[in-house]
Amino acid sequence: DIQMTQSPSSLSASVGGRVTITCRASQSIGSNLNWYQQTPGKAPKVLMYAASSLQSGVPSRFSGSESGTDFTLTISSLQPEDFATYFCQQSYSIPLTFGGGTKVEIK
Amino acid sequence: QVQLQESGPGLVKPSETLSLTCTVSGGSISSGSYHWSWIRQPAGKGLEWIGRVYTSGRTDYNPSLKSRVTISVDTSKNQFSLKLSSVTAADTAVYYCARVAILHDLFNIWGQGTTVIVSS
Repeated sequence: DIQMTQSPSSLSASVGGRVTITCRASQSIGSNLNWYQQTPGKAPKVLMYAASSLQSGVPSRFSGSESGTDFTLTISSLQPEDFATYFCQQSYSIPLTFGGGTKVEIK
Repeated sequence: QVQLQESGPGLVKPSETLSLTCTVSGGSISSGSYHWSWIRQPAGKGLEWIGRVYTSGRTDYNPSLKSRVTISVDTSKNQFSLKLSSVTAADTAVYYCARVAILHDLFNIWGQGTTVIVSS
C-alpha cells in the first residue's frame, strides 16, 4: 500500500494568514494526488485534483504543488470558512489511501 | 443534482455482519464514468477506503478488509451496498458512500455519512 503522511497534524493560524500543508507519499505517485476539506460533522469536499488543478467552484486562494513525492496545499489568505481538516488522497494505485489529516484551527 | 444517502442499522453486534445501502438520487448510477465506493472514518481519525464497485459489477477491495467485504450494485434500484462480516469494535466508524470519477479517482460526491457502532 502507498502510505500518505501529512504534516503537520494540526496548526493554528490567523484569518488572513498563509497556510501550507504537506503530504508525502511513500513511493512515486506522479501527479496522482487529490486534496479534500472536511468541516465537523460533514463529508469531505474536493479542493484540488491531479496535484495542482483547482476543482470548479473552489476559491483561488487554494493552490497545490508537487516536488517528487512531496505535495503541498497552500491557502494564501485564510478565511473563517477555511478552518477545517484537510486530507490528501493518492489515486495512483489500489488501495486508494488518504493522509491522516491536518486540522487548521483559529489562532 | 446527484445525491447519495446511506442507510442501514446504526448498531451491530460483534461477530455479525454490517450491511449498508447507498441510494443514488438525481441521476442514474449507470451514467457517466464513475465507480462507487465505500469509505469509513473512526471517530477523530482519518479516512479508510473500503472498496469500490463499477456498474458492470466489477469490484476492488482494500486488502486489509478484503476477506470480510462484499460490495454490490443494483442498477435497477439505483443503489449499491456494503456488507462487512465478522465485525468487531474496531469497525465502529462513520461510513460514507461516494461517487468517484474514474479520471483521477476523485471522490467528487459523498453521502452525509452514517454512524455504525459495533457493540453487544
